[in-house]
Amino acid sequence: DGGITQSPKYLFRKEGQNVTLSCEQNLNHDAMYWYRQDPGQGLRLIYYSQIVNDFQKGDIAEGYSVSREKKESFPLTVTSAQKNPTAFYLCASTKSRVGTDTQYFGPGTRLTVL
Amino acid sequence: AQSVAQPEDQVNVAEGNPLTVKCTYSVSGNPYLFWYVQYPNRGLQFLLKYITGDNLVKGSYGFEAEFNKSQTSFHLKKPSALVSDSALYFCAVRDLGVGQNFVFGPGTRLSVLP
Repeated sequence: DGGITQSPKYLFRKEGQNVTLSCEQNLNHDAMYWYRQDPGQGLRLIYYSQIVNDFQKGDIAEGYSVSREKKESFPLTVTSAQKNPTAFYLCASTKSRVGTDTQYFGPGTRLTVL
Repeated sequence: AQSVAQPEDQVNVAEGNPLTVKCTYSVSGNPYLFWYVQYPNRGLQFLLKYITGDNLVKGSYGFEAEFNKSQTSFHLKKPSALVSDSALYFCAVRDLGVGQNFVFGPGTRLSVLP
């Protein structure tokens, strides 16, 4: 899992609540990513950020929001607008946006809606 | 558009036998190809990547992969499987150039039977 930490490991949310997932990296990487993993569907990109104070929507951004105020931090908020948020969430980073860079992953947060 | 296919949901192999996990891809330019492994409730771990050069790429834990441009394939192999290799394996592609995101296959579950 390298130098990327995610917290909490498990998170339970009641319907109608917003929750924030933490992602921190000490790799000095410029780019950070959030993925959602559902069984049998692989990884789907939610948001990504190339530099501080800049981020772009991925394939499934609806119901999610992010911020990138510091290089090492890229928190993800799952809002009440996300209709089916129960999933495993993975944060990742790359040194830059160059195509050859390897993407490294955090240990993940499992979110369950009660 | 980029895409990745992993045609087998599940691969079963006996311990000590060779294993192959298949991956085919589609990109508009030259591909950057990656293999990752995921153990239960963990993040993805990088195994190996192909950027350019020798078609046979060696990676972590005795894994290797063969890039075949004509067949647009990047199959993961290991000469002798271990029970501890049992996990979920993801192939990913990144198209040439800056700004291209990773596209992941749906994953293949490998079970190595003792």
